[in-house]
Order: sequence, then structure tokens, then C-alpha cells
Amino acid sequence: EIVLTQSPGTLSLSPGERGTLSCRASQSVRDNHLTWYQQKPGQAPRLLIYGASNRATGIPDRFSGSGSGTDFTLTISRLEPEDFAMYYCQQCGDSPEITFGQGTRLEIK
Amino acid sequence: EVQLVESGGGLVQPGGSLRLSCAASGFTFSGYWMYWVRQAPGKGLVWVSRINPDGTRTTYADSVKGRITFSRDNAKNTLYLQMNSLRDEDTAVYYCARGFFYDSIDYWGQGTLVTVSS
Repeated sequence: EIVLTQSPGTLSLSPGERGTLSCRASQSVRDNHLTWYQQKPGQAPRLLIYGASNRATGIPDRFSGSGSGTDFTLTISRLEPEDFAMYYCQQCGDSPEITFGQGTRLEIK
Repeated sequence: EVQLVESGGGLVQPGGSLRLSCAASGFTFSGYWMYWVRQAPGKGLVWVSRINPDGTRTTYADSVKGRITFSRDNAKNTLYLQMNSLRDEDTAVYYCARGFFYDSIDYWGQGTLVTVSS
């Protein structure tokens, strides 16, 4: 099973700043099948990025994903108030197991 | 509009059983892999199971293998999650979800809460 470790656990930033979230895998993610989700309290997760770098439909271009192999990054170029939430990475290449990272909480400083 | 609506959650005693349902609409249900993902209170997301479009292949997380059965009825656009021998640690919100790209998930239901407690 591939273990995903997200860092930092909590990221405190101000609106307008740049946010950089990391997801590290215990072994290489096949074909870079790495996905990012955003989750707000009381809501279901929302797909942001798939295939490491592809924005999902309707996702603002301030969200970008990068990385390959074992190291992946979600970058939010200029934080908007609605971006403060939990973020999870997920690997989809280690069939049959699907694993999620433990999450990064992005909070307002 | 894609909609996934879970039902069937509730309070059950340890060792008990529960069947969750998920009604899908707004898309060609029989063409998609479908998933269950759970989230314990205040915790992260955990994949539970997946099923292929025609319902002939299922895979399960080790933590639920042998206790949970995932099935689908494509004529009714409905998913089912039969959960037996429930444990305290199965307490969670259970989300049904639609597969998109190599096990990425593009649509999620609102979730149904399962509480296992005596």
C-alpha cells in the first residue's frame, strides 16, 4: 500500500498570499495518478486536480498541481477567502488499493 | 445535473448489520465505476470499496474485506453497501461517489452517517 504524507499539517496564511501544499508518497505513484481534493466543513470533497496537474472542470486557474514520482505539490497562487479549507491528496495508481493523505488544513492567519 | 443521494445510515450496535443505498441520477449510471469512501468524525478520507460499471468486479479495503459487500442495480441506478459485523471503528460518514479518471472521483453524495455504538 502506498502511504501518502501531506505537509504541513496546518498552513496559516493570509488572503492574497501564495499557498504551497505538499504530498509525498512512500513509493512512486504509477503514471502520476495523483489527485487533489478540497473539503469544507460539513461538505463532501470537491475534485480540484487529477493526473497530478490537470484542473477539473470549473476549478479556478489559481489552483495548480505539479510533481511526479513520489513528490507532488498543490499551489494556490493568490488565496481567496473561500480557499481556506482542508485539502487531501489521493493516489490512484496502486490498484487495487486507493489511499488518501491525512490532509492539510489551510487556515486564515 | 449529476446527483448522488445516500440513505440507510443510522445507529447500530456492534456486531450488527446495515445496508446503505445510493440513488444516482443525471448521468449514464451504467457507464461508470462507482465508489464508497468514509470519513470518521473529525478524521480524514478513507477509501472503502469500488465497483466496475457492470457490477462484476469489486475491490475492498483490507479493513472491511469479508464484512462489506458492494453491489449495484443498473436498472434502478442504485448502489448498495451491505455492512455486516459492524465495529465501533466503522463509525463514519459514508459517501458514495462517481469515478472519473483512474480512480479520481468527480462527484460525491452528501454522505450518510453510520454510528456503531452500544
